[in-house]
Amino acid sequence: NAGVTQTPKFRVLKTGQSMTLLCAQDMNHEYMYWYRQDPGMGLRLIHYSVGEGTTAKGEVPDGYNVSRLKKQNFLLGLESAAPSQTSVYFCASSYWYNQPQHFGDGTRLSIL
Amino acid sequence: AQTVTQSQPEMSVQEAETVTLSCTYDTSENNYYLFWYKQPPSRQMILVIRQEAYKQQNATENRFSVNFQKAAKSFSLKISDSQLGDTAMYFCAFLTQGGSEKLVFGKGTKLTVNP
Repeated sequence: NAGVTQTPKFRVLKTGQSMTLLCAQDMNHEYMYWYRQDPGMGLRLIHYSVGEGTTAKGEVPDGYNVSRLKKQNFLLGLESAAPSQTSVYFCASSYWYNQPQHFGDGTRLSIL
Repeated sequence: AQTVTQSQPEMSVQEAETVTLSCTYDTSENNYYLFWYKQPPSRQMILVIRQEAYKQQNATENRFSVNFQKAAKSFSLKISDSQLGDTAMYFCAFLTQGGSEKLVFGKGTKLTVNP
């Protein structure tokens, strides 16, 4: 019963490096989301997807790109990492937009 | 734009007592959904309770219940018989019905349950 799985769990990058965070869900959910969580803040939506092959911008999309080539996977990319992107990243999925979102365990990303 | 405000950054309660966490929101919509999520130290976000705005009856889930006041745009969470495992960050979240799939979170309330 995996639910939502995020890889990796921790990562340290240097400024300017690129990387991809992977989110996989096994619940056949249509909707998937990427959030970032910073100290003293709630979660803020980066990008989301309403189905395979679709993506849309959230509240803080700058500096990130996403892809949803397969229904079960949602990838978050940082093309040129910046220290301001140091954060904890959460992926979530839901059956439909108004249904509860199921979250992964998060990825702690540090940009030096 | 919708906003969610949690006015209590931190709260504490004694084990077995009752505590209420406040949440207010700002919207011009009539139909929407409200959620409370819990984030324990393990970091995983867990759904506590969900309320549909068109339902007047307050949602309950075991020891967790809400006081939904639509006119006042208030959505407080009551935890009865608090347990040590309730220690966590609690986030209130708002979602409009249709037109936007974006869940808007408050900044959270850190709840500590003391033995």
